[in-house]
Amino acid sequence: EIVLTQSPGALFLSPGERATLSCRASQSVSSSYLAWYQQKPGQAPRLLMYVASIRATGIPDRFSGSGSGTDFTLTISRLEPEDFAVYYCQQYSDSPYTFGQGTKLEIK
Amino acid sequence: EVQLVESGGGLVQPGRSLRLSCAASGFTFGDYSIHWVRQPPGKGLEWVSGISWHGLRVAYADSVKGRFTISRDDAKSSLYLQMNSLGPEDTAFYYCAKRAVAGDDTSHFDHWGRGTLVTVSS
Repeated sequence: EIVLTQSPGALFLSPGERATLSCRASQSVSSSYLAWYQQKPGQAPRLLMYVASIRATGIPDRFSGSGSGTDFTLTISRLEPEDFAVYYCQQYSDSPYTFGQGTKLEIK
Repeated sequence: EVQLVESGGGLVQPGRSLRLSCAASGFTFGDYSIHWVRQPPGKGLEWVSGISWHGLRVAYADSVKGRFTISRDDAKSSLYLQMNSLGPEDTAFYYCAKRAVAGDDTSHFDHWGRGTLVTVSS
């Protein structure tokens, strides 16, 4: 099983600042089959990125993803008020399709 | 518009069974692999089970193997999760999610339902 470790667990930033979220895998993620999701309270997860760096439909270009192998990053260039939420990474290359424990992005 | 709507959740006693459903619309259901993902209230996401588009390939998390059974009815555009021998650790929101690419078991999960809450308690 591929274990995904996200850091930090919580991130306190202000609107307009840059956010950098990390996701580290216990073994290489095949073909960079790594996705990022955003989840707000009471809502289902929303797909942001797939294959590590491809933005999903309708996702603003302030969101970007990078990485390969075992190290992946989600960057939000200039935080908007609506970006404060919990972010999860997921590898979907090898069953079980594991998730990271999440990073909570909070307003400072 | 793609829609996935889960149902069947509720309060159930430990050791009992429950069957969840996921009704799909807005796409050709039989062409896509579909999965169940759960989330205990206030906690993180856990992949539970998935079934391929042709129904020949199923997979389960170790935490539910032998207790849960995934199935699909393409004629009804529906996915099911039969959950037996439920315990308090199974308390969670249960989401269904579809793979993005038809006939493919390697693509990401692009659409999710809103979830149904299962509470296991005496």
